[in-house]
Formats: sequence, C-alpha cells, structure tokens
Amino acid sequence: EAQVTQNPRYLITVTGKKLTVTCSQNMNHEYMSWYRQDPGLGLRQIYYSMNVEVTDKGDVPEGYKVSRKEKRNFPLILESPSPNQTSLYFCASSLYGDSSYNEQFFGPGTRLTVL
Amino acid sequence: GDSVTQMEGPVTLSEEAFLTINCTYTATGYPSLFWYVQYPGEGLQLLLKATKADDKGSNKGFEATYRKETTSFHLEKGSVQVSDSAVYFCALSPYNTDKLIFGTGTRLQVFP
Repeated sequence: EAQVTQNPRYLITVTGKKLTVTCSQNMNHEYMSWYRQDPGLGLRQIYYSMNVEVTDKGDVPEGYKVSRKEKRNFPLILESPSPNQTSLYFCASSLYGDSSYNEQFFGPGTRLTVL
Repeated sequence: GDSVTQMEGPVTLSEEAFLTINCTYTATGYPSLFWYVQYPGEGLQLLLKATKADDKGSNKGFEATYRKETTSFHLEKGSVQVSDSAVYFCALSPYNTDKLIFGTGTRLQVFP
C-alpha cells in the first residue's frame, strides 16, 4: 500500500531533550516536506527537500533540522525542544515539487508535547 | 505575501443539508487552488483542485469553482452525510512552485 508513515504518533518529552521524528514513504517520491499544525494557524511548512541531499527552509524552520540521506526517509530533528514546539506535525511527499500537478500525500501525524 | 482566508468553524449541519465553506485568497499571478480534508486522527487528503480560472474541481459530491474575479474557491456539497464530518482546509500553490499555503481550517460537524 502506497503510504507515508511517521513515528512516533505521540510523544511527550521535556525541554532540551533531543528527539527525532521519522518519516518514510514507499512511493519513490522525490519531494518531501514537514509541516506543523497549530490551532488558528493552519499548516505551516518547516523544511522541504526536492531530492536526496537537497533540503531547504520553509516558513518556520527555527529550532528544527532535517536530513535526506535516502530518497524514502526524511527525519525531523529537534536538537533542543522547547514548549513552543508543542504541536501536531505532518510529513508529506509528492512525486515532484510542483504542487499544481503533483498531489502531496500526508502521513498520519505526530502529536508532540514538550513540557 | 500570498495567503488564504477561510470561514471559522465549526459549521454544524443536519444530514442532507446543503454545505458551503467560504475560501478567499490573495496571490500574485495565477495560483492553483485546493481543498484538503482531514478526518479525525488522520493526515490530510486532497479532496479537489483547480489549476486555472473558471475551472471546477469536484470529488465525492463536493465541488468548488476557481473564481478569479472574486478571488474565491468556495466548497459546496448539495447533501452532506455524517461521514463528511472532518476539518476542511483551503490551500493555494503559487504558479510553478512547490509551495502549499494553507488556510486555518474549518471544522464541519454533521448530525443525523
């Protein structure tokens, strides 16, 4: 089944404790991205990757890192999480980057709470 | 910059009622427009899209028309079902880019 998977689905952690949220897709997509969803703000893009070893900042990259060593995986790293990073996170992928013609497929989400 | 504004929810309807969720946008050039749906506990799914003015996107009984003169892309359905209860996001993608800009989402609750 074609899908985007994220792990973990739920995570409660404490300020400053490094964490990684994994994202994997099995559709051989070149484009992957991370969003955060907050009440009243919709979804905002954190980072995106056009292909392996190519990553770039989205609208809200502060406090996050990503890497793209393999086409299928795009982990999101919080080196020193803070409470304002408490949010619902979504990974998404599409065949290529042009959103008009390439549907973005979303993972199920990771709910992160930073105490 | 480019942005999307959609009506605040929740929208509460009885089954078989008519649905309209308003969406307007601000963008330079000719963006593509989308509606995404998020069912409880799941990620977003593309519901429909329109890539140029006067296009009508449709899927699962939902439809929306790209109106450049009013910069709008309102979502409509003639007869909603309980299973349509979800959060609906309007979004735009500036021409020839990879970017998706989302509205804040509108929660729809349909009661039997």
